[in-house]
Amino acid sequence: GDSVTQMEGPVTLSEEAFLTINCTYTATGYPSLFWYVQYPGEGLQLLLKATKADDKGSNKGFEATYRKETTSFHLEKGSVQVSDSAVYFCALSGGGNNQGGKLIFGQGTELSVKP
Amino acid sequence: KAGVTQTPRYLIKTRGQQVTLSCSPISGHRSVSWYQQTPGQGLQFLFEYFSETQRNKGNFPGRFSGRQFSNSRSEMNVSTLELGDSALYLCASSFLGGSTDTQYFGPGTRLTVL
Repeated sequence: GDSVTQMEGPVTLSEEAFLTINCTYTATGYPSLFWYVQYPGEGLQLLLKATKADDKGSNKGFEATYRKETTSFHLEKGSVQVSDSAVYFCALSGGGNNQGGKLIFGQGTELSVKP
Repeated sequence: KAGVTQTPRYLIKTRGQQVTLSCSPISGHRSVSWYQQTPGQGLQFLFEYFSETQRNKGNFPGRFSGRQFSNSRSEMNVSTLELGDSALYLCASSFLGGSTDTQYFGPGTRLTVL
């Protein structure tokens, strides 16, 4: 079935460091891809999304490009801040085996940014 | 526009009891999905409702059920609670529930089963 795999955490970085969180997926067809962020004690917030191959999603300095050839959607940010400390989830929706309205999540990557 | 609201925020129940959780979607959204979040299993899809009909279902036992009302508000019910049902239950709404739609999440209901 469809699945999402993220790099394991926790990831610890110093402020202003470069961030990459790897995400790969398995799905038939053409799923949409998402990055969500969860701050302590809160629900999930959409960070960015891409709905077709080669699309780049971006928000708040974060970017991710939908690479169908490598089935990847890696999250990057050029300079992280302490306020970026959170858990990041990669997810997919749609595709051949997955109807809309259902998100399949990766296991989450905890990011901790030190001053 | 008000976000997704979930009530209650916290619940403590004992094994064998049943529980009902409520979710009010963003105004105008017709699709409501439910997810279970646990440290061991991560985020897992429970079910999705659209126009009062269950359109999608995850791999959970029949003890987990839900419904949606004509105003798009949704409830989920868990009967005969087990210790393993302790989790954060998240509700999400989207306009039509299509694969490109963004799902907006509520803050969740933290259920503890003793």
